[in-house]
Amino acid sequence: DAKTTQPNSMESNEEEPVHLPCNHSTISGTDYIHWYRQLPSQGPEYVIHGLTSNVNNRMASLAIAEDRKSSTLILHRATLRDAAVYYCILRRGNYGQNFVFGPGTRLSVLP
Amino acid sequence: EPEVTQTPSHQVTQMGQEVILRCVPISNHLYFYWYRQILGQKVEFLVSFYNNEISEKSEIFDDQFSVERPDGSNFTLKIRSTKLEDSAMYFCASTSGLNLYEQYFGPGTRLTVT
Repeated sequence: DAKTTQPNSMESNEEEPVHLPCNHSTISGTDYIHWYRQLPSQGPEYVIHGLTSNVNNRMASLAIAEDRKSSTLILHRATLRDAAVYYCILRRGNYGQNFVFGPGTRLSVLP
Repeated sequence: EPEVTQTPSHQVTQMGQEVILRCVPISNHLYFYWYRQILGQKVEFLVSFYNNEISEKSEIFDDQFSVERPDGSNFTLKIRSTKLEDSAMYFCASTSGLNLYEQYFGPGTRLTVT
């Protein structure tokens, strides 16, 4: 699976939007972009995923660059509960394979 | 909402002892995984299990490790002879056959080897 690059940490104020970037310049045509997050002392949890088009769900939005070499996870209104490590993961195909987690971005939300 | 459960939440064992970590995946799920996370480090894949057999395993998953689905609900990870470096948080995950992008993780078992 291709590698992703994320900032080590980011800060946001509560109730403001947060844009978490991810670079994946070596992405292949069959790589899906997944975002997971890990709240303190918990297991990772699924946030969103996409292939080519932008995606929205109840938790977040995923904006994918036209060349697919980068993507941005958007939290529309950060809450204190959104403080977590956010992982951007590429996975080839969608066949139930494991995820390869990198160090992720540690998001702090300030009240 | 259905969830993956893991027991115990914390296990302390002496080096060289065998431990079994237990997981109850979500009931209609078909794919099962174990990951581990050493304190302060990234989440690492250990093994995946489908159709009653290992489908993929990492280099970490050596002969000291084994997995089993002894009945229709439990999924276990056994470490035969624990080492100090096995101390970590172990996460079980499962996914259905329909939404393979979404793995549901349990809360983890913290294993401390002394």
